Amino acid sequence: GAVVSQHPSWVICKSGTSVKIECRSLDFQATTMFWYRQFPKQSLMLMATSNEGSKATYEQGVEKDKFLINHASLTLSTLTVTSAHPEDSSFYICSAKRGVDTGELFFGEGSRLTVL
Amino acid sequence: AQSVTQLDSQVPVFEEAPVELRCNYSSSVSVYLFWYVQYPNQGLQLLLKYLSGSTLVKGINGFEAEFNKSQTSFHLRKPSVHISDTAEYFCAVSVGWSGGFKTIFGAGTRLFVKA
Repeated sequence: GAVVSQHPSWVICKSGTSVKIECRSLDFQATTMFWYRQFPKQSLMLMATSNEGSKATYEQGVEKDKFLINHASLTLSTLTVTSAHPEDSSFYICSAKRGVDTGELFFGEGSRLTVL
Repeated sequence: AQSVTQLDSQVPVFEEAPVELRCNYSSSVSVYLFWYVQYPNQGLQLLLKYLSGSTLVKGINGFEAEFNKSQTSFHLRKPSVHISDTAEYFCAVSVGWSGGFKTIFGAGTRLFVKA
């Protein structure tokens, strides 16, 4: 149980276009999901906390107009990178909490974005 | 403020040798502790967790960790590693706050198992 799926796993886009990444909890309801960015050989950087039915909470330094997060249902959160540029190329990972909150996180497989 | 320190950025080890990946944390409040593993181009997978009870925690793939409250450590160990254990390992702590729990990750330790 507690499966989180991300789609797409890989995406290549042209500079200036927008890209949407989906994060789904397949067998549980996730009222809270998290989006991270990971640079090569580095740890995860929390970008934002996504709460179902409300606006996402962004970490300091993360542009909310650049990285649009929508959590419209208990099983789906989306991250849209708007007007992507090469510097947005990165590995994006989502995670979700399930059941009694102990801080344990269930992670998606990650999505590698390459902006040309 | 809470923080997590993984003392080794890289740990090379020969196959079938024992390994210890070190993790220290600082927190003025009680925490829950986790170790996650990340294989290349994948998300993170839970190895083990300490919530309460016995300080020796056993996880998947033969890994175990010991919570030491006095030393604020949560070191990960495996008595005999395999090539397939080559991956990035993250120590994490979760602390309670008004909105629930907040998770703080260490910088990661790259375990490289050599034949």
